[in-house]
Amino acid sequence: DIQVTQSPSTLSASVGDRVTITCRASQTVNMWLAWYQQKPGKAPKLLIYDASSLESGVPSRFSGSGSETEFTLTINSLRPDDFATYYCQQYYTYPFTFGQGTKLEIK
Amino acid sequence: QVTLRESGPALVKPTQTLTLTCTFSGFSLNTTDMCLSWVRQPPGKALEWLARIDWDDDKWYSTSLKTRLTISKDTSKNQVVLTMTNMDPMDTATYYCARVLRRVTIFGVSIKHDHWGQGTLVTVSS
Repeated sequence: DIQVTQSPSTLSASVGDRVTITCRASQTVNMWLAWYQQKPGKAPKLLIYDASSLESGVPSRFSGSGSETEFTLTINSLRPDDFATYYCQQYYTYPFTFGQGTKLEIK
Repeated sequence: QVTLRESGPALVKPTQTLTLTCTFSGFSLNTTDMCLSWVRQPPGKALEWLARIDWDDDKWYSTSLKTRLTISKDTSKNQVVLTMTNMDPMDTATYYCARVLRRVTIFGVSIKHDHWGQGTLVTVSS
């Protein structure tokens, strides 16, 4: 199975900050990686797919980049609603695997 | 409008078989490139992908759980069923179903888990 590792596990930031979360795969996943946002007690919400494609309805302050084994999710100008846990997921090969999550906290 | 809703028992005993149903609307699993996945999340832990079924009845499973999982669909009822045998307290989790859009591109196969159910918490305890 492809292992997916996110860093950091926890990130403290303030409203208005720009933050970056990294996802590394144990082998190439080409461009086949998605990012999700999850709030407590809620289902994950798709933000980015195919490494850099913004899902419909997701604000443009969210962006994704990367390929092969290293990917980043960047959130510009953090808003209060952005404080949540973020997951990456590879879908290059079965089984699809998720990262362990990054909790974005208010500083 | 796409909606998905998971249903099943909230409590199962160890060694029992869990049967979960995902009932959906707003799309059809008869449509080419339409798929549905199950994902679970133990309390306070990360997401774990479990299984996927495709419009053409192809099925895909988690490597570590494939001997215990079965996924099936009833397109006439707009339902997908996941069964998991030999339940253990470690299987306590919220179980989600998600619609999957598959798209073949010149670069390969794109996948989007774009709509999710609210999830159903299953506790395994005697």
